[in-house]
Amino acid sequence: DAGITQSPRHKVTETGTPVTLRCHQTENHRYMYWYRQDPGHGLRLIHYSYGVKDTDKGEVSDGYSVSRSKTEDFLLTLESATSSQTSVYFCAIRGQGGRDTQYFGPGTRLTVL
Amino acid sequence: GESVGLHLPTLSVQEGDNSIINCAYSNSASDYFIWYKQESGKGPQFIIDIRSNMDKRQGQRVTVLLNKTVKHLSLQIAATQPGDSAVYFCAENAPTGTASKLTFGTGTRLQVTL
Repeated sequence: DAGITQSPRHKVTETGTPVTLRCHQTENHRYMYWYRQDPGHGLRLIHYSYGVKDTDKGEVSDGYSVSRSKTEDFLLTLESATSSQTSVYFCAIRGQGGRDTQYFGPGTRLTVL
Repeated sequence: GESVGLHLPTLSVQEGDNSIINCAYSNSASDYFIWYKQESGKGPQFIIDIRSNMDKRQGQRVTVLLNKTVKHLSLQIAATQPGDSAVYFCAENAPTGTASKLTFGTGTRLQVTL
């Protein structure tokens, strides 16, 4: 799992509440990514980070924000959760050595009621 | 378990046989390709990768073949084992600067029968 942990692993929340998911890595990787995974879709990029305080949007960023105040932590926030954000969320890091391989964490299953 | 993959194409293979999983990619500019394995309730796990200047790469029991003419990628698993049962999907990377943005396929479920 490339030294990646995600918390919480499971969460049930109600529509309209804020939710923050945490991704933590221990190997000082520069690039970190947040994806969501839904039936019928491949993994879709929400946001990514290319360094502390450096982030950018992915293809499905609406309704999500991110923050990276230190190298090891990348936070994903749903400001006001909606049922359409029920999904499994994966964090990934980009491997070292100039390759574009991404390695994934164990995922967070989020249910918005 | 995971709800992802409810409607995935399924390949059923007998233990000990070889498996071939196919993937069509979309971007002719893609220069790097990865195969991932995802078991129920877990994150995707890297299996093997290949760059566009190659057409074949072998790992332990796995081989990836790349046909750029028809934008097709395949993963071959030799002597398939029960532990190979999972969802497999490919990813492609098109050069977009330094951020490594991968595009992922939806996957194929491999079922290994005894």
